[in-house]
Amino acid sequence: ETGVTQSPTHLIKTRGQQVTLRCSSQSGHNTVSWYQQALGQGPQFIFQYYREEENGRGNFPPRFSGLQFPNYSSELNVNALELDDSALYLCASSLSGRGRETQYFGPGTRLLVL
Amino acid sequence: AQRVTQPEKLLSVFKGAPVELKCNYSYSGSPELFWYVQYSRQRLQLLLRHISRESIKGFTADLNKGETSFHLKKPFAQEEDSAMYYCALKGGNTPLVFGKGTRLSVIA
Repeated sequence: ETGVTQSPTHLIKTRGQQVTLRCSSQSGHNTVSWYQQALGQGPQFIFQYYREEENGRGNFPPRFSGLQFPNYSSELNVNALELDDSALYLCASSLSGRGRETQYFGPGTRLLVL
Repeated sequence: AQRVTQPEKLLSVFKGAPVELKCNYSYSGSPELFWYVQYSRQRLQLLLRHISRESIKGFTADLNKGETSFHLKKPFAQEEDSAMYYCALKGGNTPLVFGKGTRLSVIA
């Protein structure tokens, strides 16, 4: 069984640039959730994708967007980067169904915006 | 609105002492509560969930709806318990909401 992987591990960008973060879900999982974790804070929900459709969104502006592919891997795109976007971005996959699924987290991508 | 509060940023205890990590929540319905743990240089992982009512690594947590709390407890702390602990809440179809976390440091 392959766990959740994320790439890249670290990234440095400047204000106004765009960034794409990637996530490969755990084998057999069809749902991916993205979280932003600022320094000293808990993870904050950005959005979730289930079977390639957005399935819930947190309080983040439209410049945060995502995709899920047929193999259930996912991308998080952030446009017009701001200094406050500097954070650890976590991806979590799960097998979504009618029950209470467990989310399995990746190691995260640390983004620094200068 | 859903909210999770972990009042302690840092908790230091001696090895062998009891541990209690506090978690209070705000939610109008029947929530599902979780504790996640992040050991040094490892990823965030689920420690336990209230519906399982199980003990993991000696830790237990009881949901107290009257006090809206879900405190994490262990009778005898071990050095390997040192980690960052996050309480999280899920209500219905809403996403996971995390607290800010408590860093547990177990002193030998």
